[in-house]
Amino acid sequence: GAVVSQHPSWVICKSGTSVKIECRSLDFQATTMFWYRQFPKQSLMLMATSNEGSKATYEQGVEKDKFLINHASLTLSTLTVTSAHPEDSSFYICSATRTASETYGYTFGSGTRLTVV
Amino acid sequence: KQEVTQIPAALSVPEGENLVLNCSFTDSAIYNLQWFRQDPGKGLTSLLLIQSSQREQTSGRLNASLDKSSGRSTLYIAASQPGDSATYLCAVRAGTYKYIFGTGTRLKVLA
Repeated sequence: GAVVSQHPSWVICKSGTSVKIECRSLDFQATTMFWYRQFPKQSLMLMATSNEGSKATYEQGVEKDKFLINHASLTLSTLTVTSAHPEDSSFYICSATRTASETYGYTFGSGTRLTVV
Repeated sequence: KQEVTQIPAALSVPEGENLVLNCSFTDSAIYNLQWFRQDPGKGLTSLLLIQSSQREQTSGRLNASLDKSSGRSTLYIAASQPGDSATYLCAVRAGTYKYIFGTGTRLKVLA
């Protein structure tokens, strides 16, 4: 089955530093990857959609200069939280789909717990 | 704008009980609906995927139904077990490639 690997699973960083989170599709080529954010006891909120080889599409209210997304290959997308602050502390989850067909479901990564101190 | 709501927000049941989780969505023009399970501090595990043309899907003790016209889906869990304790999320895939998630139901099955 489709597997998405997300790394790291947790990270603690100092305020003002940048953190990179990787999302890899292990056994399929992901034409589209998505990045979600989840605050405690809340549901997932989509941050951005990335397509291989093109710029990411950000949801309203998401700062594209703060959350840099790169989808350089069909198996890897990265999310970089730049100049992180405590309010960026959250659970970040990526998902990937192997094709643009609307009939496919999505496979999710295991998530990354980011804590900014 | 598509909105997805799940009821109840939390549920606590004794082991062995059959239970139903509800998901409603405001725009019936969906491609598919997916039910996920999320354990605390973990990512999402896909449980069932229902295409817009389907009425239900089954996997083991789980059965999900879809009534697109009324904007509703239910997840039925038979003979619940403590290991079923988790948060259950439904998500609908609409006009774009993204999923819109529901608010989730936190389930606790008591031994």
